[in-house]
Amino acid sequence: NAGVTQTPKFQVLKTGQSMTLQCAQDMNHEYMSWYRQDPGMGLRLIHYSVGAGITDQGEVPNGYNVSRSTTEDFPLRLLSAAPSQTSVYFCASRTGQGNQPQHFGDGTRLSIL
Amino acid sequence: GQSLEQPSEVTAVEGAIVQINCTYQTSGFYGLSWYQQHDGGAPTFLSYNALDGLEETGRFSSFLSRSDSYGYLLLQELQMKDSASYFCAARMDSSYKLIFGSGTRLLVRP
Repeated sequence: NAGVTQTPKFQVLKTGQSMTLQCAQDMNHEYMSWYRQDPGMGLRLIHYSVGAGITDQGEVPNGYNVSRSTTEDFPLRLLSAAPSQTSVYFCASRTGQGNQPQHFGDGTRLSIL
Repeated sequence: GQSLEQPSEVTAVEGAIVQINCTYQTSGFYGLSWYQQHDGGAPTFLSYNALDGLEETGRFSSFLSRSDSYGYLLLQELQMKDSASYFCAARMDSSYKLIFGSGTRLLVRP
């Protein structure tokens, strides 16, 4: 049972480069989200989706794009990487029911030089 | 705005009981969750309160008071492995998105 799978686990980019962080879940969850976590900080919501074809902005969406073409996949795109985007990125999924837990991937550790 | 406040750090002795508080300010509120995160790991779900009162799951309990916009996580019979960061998270509207507090780092000493 894979759960939420994120790739890559580690990535180093140069300022100005673009890249896509991949996220896939095999639990048929409607809701998926992306968070970033800076050292010693909490998780801040970047973007989220309540189903295929539906996405919305979270707390810190600037510099990131998302799409949700299937229930399983929710990629996060960095358009032009900046050092301020150095962080650990977590993808999460859950069902729509309020008392159900959010399942997190293992994270992608991203450094922007 | 929407915010959740937690103490930044708590220290306790192995075998003791510790309470981690969370206060929230939101325009809407649907429930409060708690997550545990060990260093270098991913957050994992501990508990969820939608209604006022206490929810118990083994050594962990969580409490919610909607009238006070306040909740807490209670950890009993502390073990060294409980040393981790603990986050409260609120579902604030019907979109199902979760907003997290900044986390409380718990250090359990022998």
